[in-house]
Amino acid sequence: KAGVTQTPRYLIKTRGQQVTLSCSPISGHRSVSWYQQTPGQGLQFLFEYFSETQRNKGNFPGRFSGRQFSNSRSEMNVSTLELGDSALYLCASSWGQSVNSRSRLDTQYFGPGTRLTVL
Amino acid sequence: AQSVAQPEDQVNVAEGNPLTVKCTYSVSGNPYLFWYVQYPNRGLQFLLKYITGDNLVKGSYGFEAEFNKSQTSFHLKKPSALVSDSALYFCAVRDNPSASKIIFGSGTRLSIRP
Repeated sequence: KAGVTQTPRYLIKTRGQQVTLSCSPISGHRSVSWYQQTPGQGLQFLFEYFSETQRNKGNFPGRFSGRQFSNSRSEMNVSTLELGDSALYLCASSWGQSVNSRSRLDTQYFGPGTRLTVL
Repeated sequence: AQSVAQPEDQVNVAEGNPLTVKCTYSVSGNPYLFWYVQYPNRGLQFLLKYITGDNLVKGSYGFEAEFNKSQTSFHLKKPSALVSDSALYFCAVRDNPSASKIIFGSGTRLSIRP
């Protein structure tokens, strides 16, 4: 079956603009998590959605938001972009709530990421 | 507050030798612990997680991790390293049940020489 897809793969924006990134999970998966990866801050958890509800959230300002649709596809939005938002944004899908799941078998599958550059 | 540390930026191992990538954590409750691997040009992959129960957790690609509560460690191990194991490895922790986010370590670059 198809893996996790993220669109677009590359994006260049300028400061002050807003951006929307999309993540399509593996068919049948109900959970989507988002992560930010930068050379300076490393990997950071943004948020997790499960069945259209945000279940977990990392320490990011309100400019970062997301949502999940009934087909489990998820979008994240960053408003008023800053230079520091330049990063690789990764999403991952899993059948259950991977961060909370007590199942050892509940595996996350990651997409290739969206590389966002803010000029 | 929860935290996780990977004390080694780089680990070098000869192919065929056992490898260990270290991780220590700090949480106020019972931890959920995770290992992820990021291969060049292949993206991030989930390796394994510890929730509760057996202290030795087996994951993908022959990796396993040992949970040690007294030492607050969750080291990643493999009995015999392969060149293809060369990658960036991340440990992560979630403080159960109050915390709602997962914290990642800074990463350890594992280099396996032939």
